Amino acid sequence: AQSVTQLGSHVSVSEGALVLLRCNYSSSVPPYLFWYVQYPNQGLQLLLKYTSAATLVKGINGFEAEFKKSETSFHLTKPSAHMSDAAEYFCAVTKAGSSNTGKLIFGQGTTLQVKP
Amino acid sequence: SQTIHQWPATLVQPVGSPLSLECTVEGTSNPNLYWYRQAAGRGLQLLFYSVGIGQISSEVPQNLSASRPQDRQFILSSKKLLLSDSGFYLCAWSSPPGQGFWYGYTFGSGTRLTVV
Repeated sequence: AQSVTQLGSHVSVSEGALVLLRCNYSSSVPPYLFWYVQYPNQGLQLLLKYTSAATLVKGINGFEAEFKKSETSFHLTKPSAHMSDAAEYFCAVTKAGSSNTGKLIFGQGTTLQVKP
Repeated sequence: SQTIHQWPATLVQPVGSPLSLECTVEGTSNPNLYWYRQAAGRGLQLLFYSVGIGQISSEVPQNLSASRPQDRQFILSSKKLLLSDSGFYLCAWSSPPGQGFWYGYTFGSGTRLTVV
């Protein structure tokens, strides 16, 4: 069965510092991978997605993620944190191609705190 | 362009009262539709998904039900609310998988339900 593990339920960084949010997945077939962001009392917004094209994926708001098959990871990074990046971040996985059931499996989420 | 509408934004209901949350999608046809619940500290839980009118799959046994009376309308209901039904409810849609490039989910803005 597929699963997603987000290491660290809370991450705190200083404004201007590197943001690194970790995501590891398990999938028996090649996956589609997603990162979503959720601001308080709002729905989830897509940050970026990996769909078997380039392994380094660039998303909105300066975020990017690298798909590493050997490490089964899809960590989210941003070189310099802004106060507006404070939110909850979710990693999600589903099977790719003809095995895609359309059901995303979400990680438990990581709350990012940005300190001034 | 496609849009998803979810209402109401907030709802306070007494225990034992009925519930009806509505979600509609515009600008697409035959979408997959999903209801998720987000309880504090528990991540995203898939409640129901639908691949077509009248086709509902339940992911977890619970006090809730879902219906899809029209192609782009998805309704979450309960006959008698429990305290444990409190949470943040999110509707989402996706294109059916296997029909070209799959973009993942687009979420509605959510409904904050408090059962008192």
